[in-house]
Amino acid sequence: QEQLVQSGAAVKKPGASVKVSCKASGYDFTDYYIHWVRQAPGQGLEWMGKINPSSGSSTYAQRFQGRVTLTRERSTTTVYMELGSLTSGDTAVYYCARDLWGFWGQGTLVIVSS
Amino acid sequence: DIQMTQSPSSLSASVGDRVTITCRASQDIRIDLGWYQHKPGEGPKRLIYAASHLQSGVPSRFSGSGSGTDFTLTISSLQPEDFATYFCLQQNSDPPTFGGGTKVEIK
Repeated sequence: QEQLVQSGAAVKKPGASVKVSCKASGYDFTDYYIHWVRQAPGQGLEWMGKINPSSGSSTYAQRFQGRVTLTRERSTTTVYMELGSLTSGDTAVYYCARDLWGFWGQGTLVIVSS
Repeated sequence: DIQMTQSPSSLSASVGDRVTITCRASQDIRIDLGWYQHKPGEGPKRLIYAASHLQSGVPSRFSGSGSGTDFTLTISSLQPEDFATYFCLQQNSDPPTFGGGTKVEIK
């Protein structure tokens, strides 16, 4: 069945980068954009950006421009979200979701702590 | 960006109760809205798409209505497995934006 499976939790120090993966299966990987969304503790959901798995082109939310990079690997049907210059404010659960928002990954907890 | 205002932010209800959650968009989004159920440790699950269409496999006690700027999610008879957080998502225009969420708790 169609699903997105994300990588496990990560703990990073301030200033570091984190790379979260999202593996797609059960559908044609190149047919749908993949979005990334995060939810910080006690906060609402926030859209970070999206990638076209066919072309590799990405669009980012303004507040993450220059700090986030989305990439994809067609051979493994995996999308990656890399967020740099981490601060404690980036502690959150990060989700990938397939375009049209029909289903989401299970979420990846990223903790930024010294 | 389109702002999505969701209310209430939380509610307490009993099994069997009828529950209504609303989302208001800051501009016309036609019917480009979905409703989601979110439980801790899981990815969100879509209940309703295009404002009023029930996602396959979702119980018929869930329903959605509205168009333009005002939308409603209704749970006709709350079940124990329905205690969760619910949110709306507009996909009319980029960036997609979310309601603040409604936590449905047991009374």
